[in-house]
Amino acid sequence: GAGVSQTPSNKVTEKGKYVELRCDPISGHTALYWYRQSLGQGPEFLIYFQGTGAADDSGLPNDRFFAVRPEGSVSTLKIQRTERGDSAVYLCASSLTGSGSTDTQYFGPGTRLTVL
Amino acid sequence: AQKVTQAQTEISVVEKEDVTLDCVYETRDTTYYLFWYKQPPSGELVFLIRRNSFDEQNEISGRYSWNFQKSTSSFNFTITASQVVDSAVYFCALSEPYNNNDMRFGAGTRLTVKP
Repeated sequence: GAGVSQTPSNKVTEKGKYVELRCDPISGHTALYWYRQSLGQGPEFLIYFQGTGAADDSGLPNDRFFAVRPEGSVSTLKIQRTERGDSAVYLCASSLTGSGSTDTQYFGPGTRLTVL
Repeated sequence: AQKVTQAQTEISVVEKEDVTLDCVYETRDTTYYLFWYKQPPSGELVFLIRRNSFDEQNEISGRYSWNFQKSTSSFNFTITASQVVDSAVYFCALSEPYNNNDMRFGAGTRLTVKP
């Protein structure tokens, strides 16, 4: 079956602009996660959705970052007033239940965001 | 707070050599999960293994093996008879299910296998 997909694969924008990054999880997966990976670093947790609701958004760096998942499937990560420091690869992952005892997160290919 | 340390930033070996990637973790929880992911040049994280904190049995999958030792808080990964296709960045990660499942990754180890 299809894995996690993310669009666009690359996004170049100018400082101050607004961007949206999309994630399409594996069909049937109720849990969805966003991570940010800077060059030479491991992925850093941003936000976790269980169904339509954000169960944990403690990783969002500031209020310029926001994510939604209105129908419990596709999610959009929104970044307002982008800054050069936002440049990174944004990874999305999904898992079947979000329950740690049996769950594994499967990752998409990421969106490389470059803020000029 | 949970933390994962991968002290080896880069490792280079010649094909057919065995190589071990180290992972040390910190957590206050008694229930937690450890993972290894592979990130090839294409960029997509590929799941390799999940281990829960109550299962200390070592695991072998083909040329891959994992050594989980709670006494030293380590979850090391060994590739036997390495191949060029094993070249990638490998990440160790930890999740605490009672902390809403956010997974904490180490900084990764870049493995280069030369022919």
